[in-house]
Amino acid sequence: EAGVVQSPRYKIIEKKQPVAFWCNPISGHNTLYWYLQNLGQGPELLIRYENEEAVDDSQLPKDRFSAERLKGVDSTLKIQPAELGDSAVYLCASSLGPQTDTQYFGPGTRLTVL
Amino acid sequence: SQQGEEDPQALSIQEGENATMNCSYKTSINNLQWYRQNSGRGLVHLILIRSNEREKHSGRLRVTLDTSKKSSSLLITASRAADTASYFCATDARETSGSRLTFGEGTQLTVNP
Repeated sequence: EAGVVQSPRYKIIEKKQPVAFWCNPISGHNTLYWYLQNLGQGPELLIRYENEEAVDDSQLPKDRFSAERLKGVDSTLKIQPAELGDSAVYLCASSLGPQTDTQYFGPGTRLTVL
Repeated sequence: SQQGEEDPQALSIQEGENATMNCSYKTSINNLQWYRQNSGRGLVHLILIRSNEREKHSGRLRVTLDTSKKSSSLLITASRAADTASYFCATDARETSGSRLTFGEGTQLTVNP
């Protein structure tokens, strides 16, 4: 069974440029999460989807971050414009459903903003 | 915001020794989970312990939970070089629309061959 797929794995951009990350969850997983992980710290939830509905986006900086999950499968996370402080690893995870405890993580996208 | 705090931040041991990592949290939880992260990789779920459980085993892993002290420990017995990774505890603050995991800052474990 394929795991959670993320692309790109690495991205280097200049500040003020836009950037997008893509995630393909495990087949059949209805719940999808985007996390931000700073160096030496644990992941912090940005947004959680149940199918195509964003049910928890309270920690998403909505002035520059946006996300979508069309058709309730793949998801994209966008930053526009990127700032120096956005340099981090962006992790995508999925689980079977909202009451399912185990989350399966992708390898992440390491973003460097210069 | 980070709810869990792992202790120690870093741990270095010899292969074959046991490794113990601790996690403290602040609010009431439904369950506590431990994840492992190898360098440059995503997190892998290790074990889950529910609030009404006190101890759980999975292979070489042993997890304890003390809800009165709001703390948990992860013991890895007979460690191997392949156990070298960062270990995170995560607490489940279940809300009406589903669960949200809040991760600690992690313990970096190095197992020397």
